Amino acid sequence: DVKVTQSSRYLVKRTGEKVFLECVQDMDHENMFWYRQDPGLGLRLIYFSYDVKMKEKGDIPEGYSVSREKKERFSLILESASTNQTSMYLCASSLTGYSYEQYFGPGTRLTVT
Amino acid sequence: AQKITQTQPGMFVQEKEAVTLDCTYDTSDQSYGLFWYKQPSSGEMIFLIYQGSYDEQNATEGRYSLNFQKARKSANLVISASQLGDSAMYFCAMRLSGGTSYGKLTFGQGTILTVHP
Repeated sequence: DVKVTQSSRYLVKRTGEKVFLECVQDMDHENMFWYRQDPGLGLRLIYFSYDVKMKEKGDIPEGYSVSREKKERFSLILESASTNQTSMYLCASSLTGYSYEQYFGPGTRLTVT
Repeated sequence: AQKITQTQPGMFVQEKEAVTLDCTYDTSDQSYGLFWYKQPSSGEMIFLIYQGSYDEQNATEGRYSLNFQKARKSANLVISASQLGDSAMYFCAMRLSGGTSYGKLTFGQGTILTVHP
């Protein structure tokens, strides 16, 4: 079974803090993704990576950066957390090809106060 | 740009009845995949069913079937014999092929399904 794990289920941070969200997958997938989920807006893509050290902006990259130093690990970084980044963050991974589903981690609910 | 629309914010169904969750999509690509995911209150995203744009038959997976109407650009999810455990948020999503898409998923807004006993 594919497993995607995220470092925390719940996280509370203060405005201005640097925040790291980590994601690890164990199925040697090329692609990894970070989404945020907000009520009424569905899931929106923040960043994705198609190979080690390669990254592409998604639909809402502002205020975020990412790092992929190893194939199995994809980190989302909030350089200076703000209250409008309070959200559920979901990591996913997949093989390349439009017929392959994405496998999701359990999510991290981040609250910025 | 591709877009997914789910027009039903919430749906209610009686246990053991069938229910259809609507999804329309917009893309100019010829090759794409359509997915449905279920998200229970626990938060994890569970893959339910997949339909490829070139598939001639509607996809089925157990009690789930996808009513794919390519000309209308719709990909509705049909759940037969609803169970209480089907109560969840349901997302429709689309994945394009090739280019620089790298298999990104575009999601709809979601539909909350409530199954009544």
